[in-house]
Amino acid sequence: QVQLVQSGAEVKKPGASVKVSCKASGYTFTAYYMHWVRQAPGQGLEWMGWIDPRSGGTNYAQKFQGRVTMTRDTSSSTASMELSRLTSDDTAVYFCATDITVSILDYWGQGTLVTVSS
Amino acid sequence: EIVLTQSPGTLSLSPGERATLSCRASQNIGSLYLGWYQQKPGQAPRLLISAASSRATGIPDRFSGSGSGTDFTLTISRLEPEDFAVYYCQQYYTSPWTFGQGTKVEIK
Repeated sequence: QVQLVQSGAEVKKPGASVKVSCKASGYTFTAYYMHWVRQAPGQGLEWMGWIDPRSGGTNYAQKFQGRVTMTRDTSSSTASMELSRLTSDDTAVYFCATDITVSILDYWGQGTLVTVSS
Repeated sequence: EIVLTQSPGTLSLSPGERATLSCRASQNIGSLYLGWYQQKPGQAPRLLISAASSRATGIPDRFSGSGSGTDFTLTISRLEPEDFAVYYCQQYYTSPWTFGQGTKVEIK
């Protein structure tokens, strides 16, 4: 069965960077884009971008351009999202998600809480 | 960027009642690029509907989606206790993908 398992919670100081990983199993990792979505406490969902695991190509939301880097390791079927120059506004749960059966996010990771605090 | 506006913000209903949730797009997104998700506290979103009206695998038939262009609707025909949650619409017509702000369906 399809599983996306994310890395554990992180606490970071303002100005630091964080890297969240997402290990995929149960499907062909390189066949489907991996998306990243975040959700601030008590707020809605915000799409950050995607990576094509086959080519490494990326598409970032303009809001995150210059601060986000999405990468993949095909040998371990793992996608990662690194966000730099963190502020308190980046405190959120970060989800990876993929679009296997339909062209929308049908499988999700469990989420990773990133807390930015001095 | 396409803005999705959901209404109402909160819907207070009793089990067994019908729920009608609206999602309006700031521009025409056709009929194939709108999805609906359900999210419960502490959980990841769950896909309910894709392409405006296609139920995802395992989704009960009390959930239905309709609409095209700029106006879309999610209907829950008879609310079950497990349906009380927050619902989000999302467009994937163009990048950046965007979500509505959500509608909370709460027990009256």
